[in-house]
Amino acid sequence: GQNIDQPTEMTATEGAIVQINCTYQTSGFNGLFWYQQHAGEAPTFLSYNVLDGLEEKGRFSSFLSRSKGYSYLLLKELQMKDSASYLCAVMDSNYQLIWGAGTKLIIKP
Amino acid sequence: GAVVSQHPSWVICKSGTSVKIECRSLDFQATTMFWYRQFPKQSLMLMATSNEGSKATYEQGVEKDKFLINHASLTLSTLTVTSAHPEDSSFYICSARPLPGDYNEQFFGPGTRLTVL
Repeated sequence: GQNIDQPTEMTATEGAIVQINCTYQTSGFNGLFWYQQHAGEAPTFLSYNVLDGLEEKGRFSSFLSRSKGYSYLLLKELQMKDSASYLCAVMDSNYQLIWGAGTKLIIKP
Repeated sequence: GAVVSQHPSWVICKSGTSVKIECRSLDFQATTMFWYRQFPKQSLMLMATSNEGSKATYEQGVEKDKFLINHASLTLSTLTVTSAHPEDSSFYICSARPLPGDYNEQFFGPGTRLTVL
C-alpha cells in the first residue's frame, strides 16, 4: 500500500529553526510536495522536489532523498505566522497526490 | 495567475437536502480537476478525479451516486452532495490542473465548509 508518514505535532520557538520530516512508500514517484495549511483554509504550495538534493526558497528549504524515501522541510527564522499544518504529499505513477496526515507546527514566543 | 475559486465558501443545510459546490479556474483552463474532503485534524482525502467531458473517476469507498460530479467545461466542475447527512459535514476542497502545463501542477481552491444539521 501507499503510505506517507510525518510527525503529528511539533513545537518550536520564534526565531529558531525547525525541521519537519516525511517518509514515504508509494507506487511510483513523480515528485514530492510540501504545502502549508492554516486552520480552515485550503493548502498553499510551498515546494516541489523531484530530484535528490536541497531546494532553497527564502526561509523555507526542502530536501529529498529518493533512495531513502525521505524528505524534510526546513523552516528558518520562525515567525508566529508560521504556525500552521505542513502537509507532505507525493505524486504517484498515476500523477495523483498521496497526502500525509500533516504536521501541526506550534510556534511559541 | 492560476486562481481557483469555490462557491459557496460555507453552507449549512438540513439533513436530506442536496448541496452543489462549484469549482472554477478563473484564469486558466483545466482538463482535470480533483475533489478532496478533509475532516478535522485529518489530511486531505481524494474523493474523485474529474475530467472535462467524461465521467469522473471515484476513489474506493466514495459513493458516486451520492457525490455527483459534473465537469462540463474547461473552467468549471461541480460537486453535488445528494441527500446530505450530518456525517457528510466536512471541508471540501477542489484543485485544478492547468492546460497546458506540467502534470505536477495543481492549484487549490479556498475550500467549502459544509455543515449538515
